[in-house]
Amino acid sequence: VQLVESGGDLVQPGGSLRLSCRASGFIFSSYWMNWVRQAPGKGLEWVAQIKRDGSEKYYVDSVKGRFTISRDNAKNSLYLQMDSLRVEDTAVYYCGRDVPPDYWGQGTLVAVSS
Amino acid sequence: QSVVTQPPSASGTPGQRVTISCSGSSSNIGNNYVAWYQQLPGTAPKLLIYRNNERPSGVPDRFSGSKSGTSASLAIGGLRSEDEADYYCATWDDSLSGWLFGGGTRLTVL
Repeated sequence: VQLVESGGDLVQPGGSLRLSCRASGFIFSSYWMNWVRQAPGKGLEWVAQIKRDGSEKYYVDSVKGRFTISRDNAKNSLYLQMDSLRVEDTAVYYCGRDVPPDYWGQGTLVAVSS
Repeated sequence: QSVVTQPPSASGTPGQRVTISCSGSSSNIGNNYVAWYQQLPGTAPKLLIYRNNERPSGVPDRFSGSKSGTSASLAIGGLRSEDEADYYCATWDDSLSGWLFGGGTRLTVL
């Protein structure tokens, strides 16, 4: 099992970013997937979750209306579209397989600053 | 707002048994499974326990989990220096329709 995140960057407040997570070593379409973040020096915070076929999505309140989780099972890929970014969204973003997440990627850093 | 609470720190000496608690409510721990994660510095979290007390393949049986009512615990027996890490509990919350992580417990091996 391997999960590789990408797309993290430095962005200004109000900006947008799209994170990707490429999965391999398992049948991607058989698993729920998650995004979990960790602000510098802080604990883990679950961000979003998506069902195997994309028909159900759940978000933490703080990102509702700003972030969108999606997946492309044909490409074995998970995405997080992040709009209207805020300073407090600064964190390492991990993708995780299953519920609860059993395998995690190495994370990608999103820094929101002017 | 639903919250899952852990002690910020714990400690023990090599060979000891330590326990880390996780306290919630009826909408989360009281009605859902609990998972536990270990996070070593600079690395991604690792699943230690799922469904309250199940261990994934490869996790030593020194690690055990339990749940009673709206609280859960992680026990680490035969403490080793390599167990020094941050530990997080996690559970689904029915009211929030989302996952909650505890604030994390930093374990120090003295």
